[in-house]
Amino acid sequence: GAGVSQSPRYKVAKRGQDVALRCDPISGHVSLFWYQQALGQGPEFLTYFQNEAQLDKSGLPSDRFFAERPEGSVSTLKIQRTQQEDSAVYLCASSLEQISNQPQHFGDGTRLSIL
Amino acid sequence: AQSVTQLGSHVSVSEGALVLLRCNYSSSVPPYLFWYVQYPNQGLQLLLKYTSAATLVKGINGFEAEFKKSETSFHLTKPSAHMSDAAEYFCAARRAAGNKLTFGGGTRVLVKP
Repeated sequence: GAGVSQSPRYKVAKRGQDVALRCDPISGHVSLFWYQQALGQGPEFLTYFQNEAQLDKSGLPSDRFFAERPEGSVSTLKIQRTQQEDSAVYLCASSLEQISNQPQHFGDGTRLSIL
Repeated sequence: AQSVTQLGSHVSVSEGALVLLRCNYSSSVPPYLFWYVQYPNQGLQLLLKYTSAATLVKGINGFEAEFKKSETSFHLTKPSAHMSDAAEYFCAARRAAGNKLTFGGGTRVLVKP
């Protein structure tokens, strides 16, 4: 497809379970970002990849959060031992280059609900 | 640390009236600035971006924004609201040397017929 694709769109998990969220960026986009959007708030940065290299993971809230992009294309955000406070929409974005003025293109997000 | 403030979490306008959404940034160096729109259950769509080429930026759907360095502002306007403009709007900043976007808290726009 032409845009950023995220799956699943909705995920419900029980507290303590592990979850994996997938992001398929726009073909050829070098930069990939993950954001967390809590209900009624703006997105907050989690982590950033340039190709397969994770250059910034300063926004990951705890060591239960892990992201990878092994071949520089598809990325997976994994959350281990989920907690209720992990409930949010997780947005993935990609951009063509690492130059700052390039816009980020967002997927529709994965809405994660932890019971 | 950079921050972005959007004044007013909710704005209600009549169809055909002016839409004005306020955004102020906090940075010693003017960053790159963006406005995004989010419709329910969707991701963010870029409306426009400021990258220092011009202070008045025109975007999609009739929106425009003006960068004012002296006021550290980047307010979004549309002369005449349409029902389809009902959505949530986010202002975001990106440091010249960095890559992550810092978002404001968002402003939800309600358009009354």
